[in-house]
Amino acid sequence: DTEVTQTPKHLVMGMTNKKSLKCEQHMGHRAMYWYKQKAKKPPELMFVYSYEKLSINESVPSRFSPECPNSSLLNLHLHALQPEDSALYLCASSQEGGPAETQYFGPGTRLLVL
Amino acid sequence: GIQVEQSPPDLILQEGANSTLRCNFSDSVNNLQWFHQNPWGQLINLFYIPSGTKQNGRLSATTVATERYSLLYISSSQTTDSGVYFCAVSHFNKFYFGSGTKLNVKP
Repeated sequence: DTEVTQTPKHLVMGMTNKKSLKCEQHMGHRAMYWYKQKAKKPPELMFVYSYEKLSINESVPSRFSPECPNSSLLNLHLHALQPEDSALYLCASSQEGGPAETQYFGPGTRLLVL
Repeated sequence: GIQVEQSPPDLILQEGANSTLRCNFSDSVNNLQWFHQNPWGQLINLFYIPSGTKQNGRLSATTVATERYSLLYISSSQTTDSGVYFCAVSHFNKFYFGSGTKLNVKP
């Protein structure tokens, strides 16, 4: 099974809302990633978790708060977002987070902030 | 960071035609992957190819790590090949995507 799942598929939220994105994998991977992709742009790395510990934070604003409750699950908590945060949010996983590993991506959550 | 450049940025093909997409990178890398992003946003793994040549059906890829480039070949293109093709490289434990090639295959 090489599947990464993400919920919800679509999310519309106001600037004062709090919402969460969820990502799950059952490949036994120990590294998980959040990426943000704006329209007509490539994905950009936001966060990396390795063995449930945050290993990389690409200077992401604090209104995005990641959480890794266990090695299969990755959440992204959203609070007080801005309209420019509207994007496709992609989750990925890999074996351990090493530099030579294949990353497997989920289908993404399309977020619209009004 | 590392620079990852893809060419051409846009490509229009007639169904059945062949094409070559290129990815240049500015430094040595640990990993190189080719992805196809479908219109719904799903990134589909095509190849993990830090060096050498691989083939999978109508697709093949070659990476020449010493010269810092990779090529993706699509033969006998089909309308379902349409979408954006990204190469992505791993450099110092971070994954960097190129800007992509948008392919439109017309029937």
